[in-house]
Amino acid sequence: DQQVKQNSPSLSVQEGRISILNCDYTNSMFDYFLWYKKYPAEGPTFLISISSIKDKNEDGRFTVFLNKSAKHLSLHIVPSQPGDSAVYFCAASAPNDYKLSFGAGTTVTVRA
Amino acid sequence: NAGVTQTPKFQVLKTGQSMTLQCAQDMNHNSMYWYRQDPGMGLRLIYYSASEGTTDKGEVPNGYNVSRLNKREFSLRLESAAPSQTSVYFCASSQTSFEQYFGPGTRLTVT
Repeated sequence: DQQVKQNSPSLSVQEGRISILNCDYTNSMFDYFLWYKKYPAEGPTFLISISSIKDKNEDGRFTVFLNKSAKHLSLHIVPSQPGDSAVYFCAASAPNDYKLSFGAGTTVTVRA
Repeated sequence: NAGVTQTPKFQVLKTGQSMTLQCAQDMNHNSMYWYRQDPGMGLRLIYYSASEGTTDKGEVPNGYNVSRLNKREFSLRLESAAPSQTSVYFCASSQTSFEQYFGPGTRLTVT
């Protein structure tokens, strides 16, 4: 049973607009959340993370929001650029756990 | 500083054949991981090694074995390949339990 869910397999957005990617989780023990970005024929690369003690973390054009009561997080990309076209994975970790649980991924396409 | 390297990049096997996927990291990380990526399934953990000398099963370990050869190297072995093991395999390493660094992947096809 997948504990991290990304219910939107794909997202198409115009260049310059905002991309919003969503992620839900079921395990209330998760306390650290990450987003990874993956280009074709490459391995995933770390993008941004957030601890459960925060509700927002910002890094340049990327902001992650965490709503613990709803067990929901989102990634905002503003403004979207063509180089942002990739697959984005949401991942979560529980305390003292070496493992990450990943969602199925959302493919983002940024249109010129 | 190459990060995480994986060999081979591509492999085609016949059902029943065996092979070993190699992974090495040069970041002096303690923990290493093997994942498989299948369409619509995301990344699923096969095995991991929290530190040199230890290995543990992940979410989908059946049909695989691993060896943590030393701190740098973590190999994944398929003893008798099956078509269900057709996938893209990623190795990763981390110093903490959080941010993991991934290799470029091995695309395996079992016919």
